[in-house]
Amino acid sequence: SQTIHQWPATLVQPVGSPLSLECTVEGTSNPNLYWYRQAAGRGLQLLFYSVGIGQISSEVPQNLSASRPQDRQFILSSKKLLLSDSGFYLCAWARDKTQPQHFGDGTRLSIL
Amino acid sequence: AQKITQTQPGMFVQEKEAVTLDCTYDTSDPSYGLFWYKQPSSGEMIFLIYQGSYDQQNATEGRYSLNFQKARKSANLVISASQLGDSAMYFCAMRGLSGGSNYKLTFGKGTLLTVNP
Repeated sequence: SQTIHQWPATLVQPVGSPLSLECTVEGTSNPNLYWYRQAAGRGLQLLFYSVGIGQISSEVPQNLSASRPQDRQFILSSKKLLLSDSGFYLCAWARDKTQPQHFGDGTRLSIL
Repeated sequence: AQKITQTQPGMFVQEKEAVTLDCTYDTSDPSYGLFWYKQPSSGEMIFLIYQGSYDQQNATEGRYSLNFQKARKSANLVISASQLGDSAMYFCAMRGLSGGSNYKLTFGKGTLLTVNP
């Protein structure tokens, strides 16, 4: 069966510091991968998606970037965090664009 | 563009009763998929049920069923025999499936369901 791992679970970072959140999927190959952000009490906003290694599409301009160095690895990064980057970040995978997306447990990011 | 509207910020239901969570949508895509997710207080998003726009029958998954009314553009989630563990935030989402669609899932703002003993 397929599993998705996302870490860390919680993170507290100072403004201006770098960020790296990692997501890996097991039990499948060439998945579609997604990064979402959820503001408090709100629905999810798609940040990035990837249909293959090195292929990244950005949905909204922002202070973040994503990379997919391996087939089942998806990384969310920032060089300098802003206060507005605080939130709950979720990674998800799907077999293809017609299939349901399955989410990791999320990372709660607090910027001080 | 796609839009999901969940008009119920919060709902209460007694244990063992059924509850309907409302979802209406708007899209210009001729083919699309509708999803429901559950988010407990721990934060993870749990996929519950899927309905394709061309599916002839309403989707069912255990105690979950989707009341799909295409002409009304509604995709309500029905939870039968509510359990205390059903207390969570519920999100309706959709994605276009036509060739020009991107991969974006559009989410509603959610409904917080509380199951009372």
